[in-house]
Amino acid sequence: QVQLVESGGGVVQPGRSLRLSCAASGFIFSNFDFHWVRQAPGKGLEWVAFTSDDGFYEEFRESVRGRFIVSRDTSRNTLYLQLNSLRPEDTAVYYCARHRAGGSLDHWGRGTLVTVSS
Amino acid sequence: SYVLTQPPSVSVAPGKTAGISCGGNSIGSLNVHWYQQKPGQAPLLVIYNDNDRPSGIPERFSGSNSANTATLTISRVEAGDEADYYCQVFDTHTDHRAFGGGTKLTVL
Repeated sequence: QVQLVESGGGVVQPGRSLRLSCAASGFIFSNFDFHWVRQAPGKGLEWVAFTSDDGFYEEFRESVRGRFIVSRDTSRNTLYLQLNSLRPEDTAVYYCARHRAGGSLDHWGRGTLVTVSS
Repeated sequence: SYVLTQPPSVSVAPGKTAGISCGGNSIGSLNVHWYQQKPGQAPLLVIYNDNDRPSGIPERFSGSNSANTATLTISRVEAGDEADYYCQVFDTHTDHRAFGGGTKLTVL
């Protein structure tokens, strides 16, 4: 079955970096686009980034553009989100999700918590 | 940026019908998707492309979309439907990428 498992979250000081991973299984990883979505504690869902199946097209929400980087390793069936110059407002659970034609996110991981605090 | 507006909360008695709205400028021209999120869990897709249900989602869940409002309708509401619900769009022809603010559905 389709499975997405995020890892790499933790507590980090403002200005520092962190790399999140999303390990995929149960489907052909290279055939799909992916999203990163985050949820601050007690708040709603917030779209963060999108990467195409071949990794050549990316989009980011304005508040993270230039600070976050998306990449993917097809040999490891893994998606990555590099978080740089972290701010307290980046504190959230980060989810990876598979993109479905039409724009829906049909499978989600359980998320990994990133806490930015001094 | 594109804004989707949902009511913060909706309450409904068991067995009744709940409707959750999602407002957006000309949202009727976009594909709208809906997610259910229970406490401590990841979101679950319940409606995609306005009114299609993924495998395993009960027929009690349906959607509609026209003009400036999309609606998620849950018929014969059960206690297990209590959750937060989010609408979402991601349109490749425009720059519309957004989640609604979420609606907390309370089953009385």
